[in-house]
Amino acid sequence: NAGVTQTPKFRILKIGQSMTLQCTQDMNHNYMYWYRQDPGMGLKLIYYSVGAGITDKGEVPNGYNVSRSTTEDFPLRLELAAPSQTSVYFCASSYSKDLTFGAGSRLTVL
Amino acid sequence: GQQLNQSPQSMFIQEGEDVSMNCTSSSIFNTWLWYKQEPGEGPVLLIALYKAGELTSNGRLTAQFGITRKDSFLNISASIPSDVGIYFCAGPDYGGSQGNLIFGKGTKLSVKP
Repeated sequence: NAGVTQTPKFRILKIGQSMTLQCTQDMNHNYMYWYRQDPGMGLKLIYYSVGAGITDKGEVPNGYNVSRSTTEDFPLRLELAAPSQTSVYFCASSYSKDLTFGAGSRLTVL
Repeated sequence: GQQLNQSPQSMFIQEGEDVSMNCTSSSIFNTWLWYKQEPGEGPVLLIALYKAGELTSNGRLTAQFGITRKDSFLNISASIPSDVGIYFCAGPDYGGSQGNLIFGKGTKLSVKP
């Protein structure tokens, strides 16, 4: 039982490049989330999904896009990377109230 | 909107000491969750509280759901080096994203052997 798997673990991007952070879960959870974590700032919600085909914006969605074509996968796309998107990104899933997190993806934009 | 305030921001303690940290809000919560994040990893759920006044233990960790439903406390007894990490409190986001959690900014714990 792998839980929530994120790839890649580390990535360096140049300004203006695009990339996709992958997230998959094997717990059949309906809810999935993307957070970013900046030092001393806790976790901020970027996008979330309550089920396949349904996505919605969180607190800080600008510069990101998501899709949810299956229950298992919830990729996060950065179209035009900016230095402000340097952060650690966490994907999470849940059945009800408590979230299970992936190990994180550390992204640096130079 | 809802906010969770954690204190202290950081703690530096000696191995064997007890630790107390708390989380407060101006809003009422019906659920309190405590997570621990170790360096380079995602947060992991430690304790979940669902009822005002509830006291729940998980090994050396004890958490309490405040009677007013606006606060929660986490205690760690006889700390050991592997307790190092950031401890987050969290509660449901009633006013925003469905199923989402609001997180505090965390208490960073350092333990000297």
